[in-house]
Amino acid sequence: KAGVTQTPRYLIKTRGQQVTLSCSPISGHRSVSWYQQTPGQGLQFLFEYFSETQRNKGNFPGRFSGRQFSNSRSEMNVSTLELGDSALYLCASRPTPGDSSYNEQFFGPGTRLTVL
Amino acid sequence: GEDVEQSLFLSVREGDSSVINCTYTDSSSTYLYWYKQEPGAGLQLLTYIFSNMDMKQDQRLTVLLNKKDKHLSLRIADTQTGDSAIYFCAESRGYNKLIFGAGTRLAVHP
Repeated sequence: KAGVTQTPRYLIKTRGQQVTLSCSPISGHRSVSWYQQTPGQGLQFLFEYFSETQRNKGNFPGRFSGRQFSNSRSEMNVSTLELGDSALYLCASRPTPGDSSYNEQFFGPGTRLTVL
Repeated sequence: GEDVEQSLFLSVREGDSSVINCTYTDSSSTYLYWYKQEPGAGLQLLTYIFSNMDMKQDQRLTVLLNKKDKHLSLRIADTQTGDSAIYFCAESRGYNKLIFGAGTRLAVHP
């Protein structure tokens, strides 16, 4: 199976703009989680989606939002970008209950966002 | 709090064993994970352990869990230069939320 894919891999934006990042989970996975990685704060959980429903959310401002489509692909959006939003954004997918690797979360390569 | 703590840096000689330590906070966490991150890459799942286990071995990797002290360790036997990377421990917190430590940078020298 192909792994988790994220597009684009690199992105440069300016303050005040908005951005949309995309994540395609491993085929058959229905859970998608998003994380932000920065040198100062490390890896922080953004939100998790399962079957198009957000089930869990981290402590991020409302500028950060996401959604999941019926094919399990997910997007996250950041509006009114700030310099501090520069980070590596990682997406992870997890198999469905009953799958032998259900307890494993598989990460994509990430999208590196730079805000100027 | 939510902090998972790890030492930040470890240097070992090639061929020696590496031990990376981690303390976590939530005694109700069901799974604890070790991930590896190489420069410019995402996270690679190395192994994980269920909270009712004390030890798990997977080839060169051994995970030890002391639930009483909330202490987790990862031992890498016969460490190679290709093992140089940042290693993250993480605890699960419901609905696929992982809480990560700051990461331990492992440097392997000849």
